[in-house]
Amino acid sequence: DADVTQTPRNRITKTGKRIMLECSQTKGHDRMYWYRQDPGLGLRLIYYSFDVKDINKGEISDGYSVSRQAQAKFSLSLESAIPNQTALYFCATSQGGQETQYFGPGTRLLVL
Amino acid sequence: AQKVTQAQTEISVVEKEDVTLDCVYETRDTTYYLFWYKQPPSGELVFLIRRNSFDEQNEISGRYSWNFQKSTSSFNFTITASQVVDSAVYFCALSEPHSSASKIIFGSGTRLSIRP
Repeated sequence: DADVTQTPRNRITKTGKRIMLECSQTKGHDRMYWYRQDPGLGLRLIYYSFDVKDINKGEISDGYSVSRQAQAKFSLSLESAIPNQTALYFCATSQGGQETQYFGPGTRLLVL
Repeated sequence: AQKVTQAQTEISVVEKEDVTLDCVYETRDTTYYLFWYKQPPSGELVFLIRRNSFDEQNEISGRYSWNFQKSTSSFNFTITASQVVDSAVYFCALSEPHSSASKIIFGSGTRLSIRP
């Protein structure tokens, strides 16, 4: 079984809709991250959380919010989706003191 | 500020050729980590290697090898005797563990195509 899972894997939605992407991990890591990937731009950090009570904005947090429901769960919400949020979204985890991040399989989001 | 540059946007070689993917980084910290990730056509991100700034020893893992040179701020990745299954986008990345956000900065990636 995968250590980091994301649901849904694919989603099509309309402009203005609220949508939530979920991430769960069984690695026991304390840190979790949300990134988006756009063609030619690599990955950019949206939000990160070092533990359940610690949430921080990344470089492109506008239009997004997150919730760390438990150590193993970190969800990303788009309150009112817009077309330029169409992207591939990745969740990642790491253990504090260990710098390597491990990624989920990604969620492809299309906003019409 | 941190920055990772992968100047090669796309590379295409014939199977069995050797290929080197370049990565140049910028950082003000003396302690940092460098990574390579592979993104095959299926889309997932696969961790390949991590090096810390105090260990400049080159590493070899099968057909993969990495050349870390602090003097030129480079961390290049070489695939020997390339195979079609090596076709993917490869990302170089940098993290500074003592920064306010322990996050990874990614380069824009190099798309590698191996032709049969």
